[in-house]
Amino acid sequence: DIQMTQSPSTLSASVGDRVTITCRASQSISTWLAWYQQKPGKPPKLLISKASTLENGVPSRFSGSGSGAEFTLTITSLQPDDFASYYCQQYNSYSRTFGQGTKVEIK
Amino acid sequence: EVQLLESGGGLVQPGGSLRLSCAASGFTVASYTMAWVRQAPGKELEWVSSIRAFGDNTFYADSVKGRFSISRDDSKSTLFLQMNNLRAEDTAVYYCAVEAPNAVYFHSWGQGTLVTVSS
Repeated sequence: DIQMTQSPSTLSASVGDRVTITCRASQSISTWLAWYQQKPGKPPKLLISKASTLENGVPSRFSGSGSGAEFTLTITSLQPDDFASYYCQQYNSYSRTFGQGTKVEIK
Repeated sequence: EVQLLESGGGLVQPGGSLRLSCAASGFTVASYTMAWVRQAPGKELEWVSSIRAFGDNTFYADSVKGRFSISRDDSKSTLFLQMNNLRAEDTAVYYCAVEAPNAVYFHSWGQGTLVTVSS
């Protein structure tokens, strides 16, 4: 199975900060990567697919990049609504695997 | 608007069985691959199983293969997960999800149902 490793596990930031989360795959997955946001007690919400395609309605301060085995999710100016956990997910293989998550908390 | 409503969760003893349901609406359920994804308390998301549209192709995570069975009733727009021989490590919130067309990421999610396996 393809393993996904996110870093950092926790990130402390302030409103207005630029935030970057990294996701690394154990082998190349081309651009078959999705990013989700999850708030406590809620289901995940799809933000980005195919590494960099923003879903309808997702604010443009979110962006994704990368290919092969290294990917990043960037939030250019952190807003109060963005404090949440973020997960990457590979879909290169039939066994869909998630990263362990990154919690973005208030500094 | 896509709506997914899970039910059937609860407390069950180790070795027991439970059947989860997911009632879907707001889209043509039969046209989409459907899935179950779970999340143990305080842990990451884990894909459990998927069932393709228009067929019987099913896929399972190694952790549940041979114990769980996914099925669908498109006439009732409902997805099921039969869980047998449950273990403590199966304790989690189970989400029903819709996979994107031609790509295995999850574009819509239900609110989840909690399964607790404990004596």
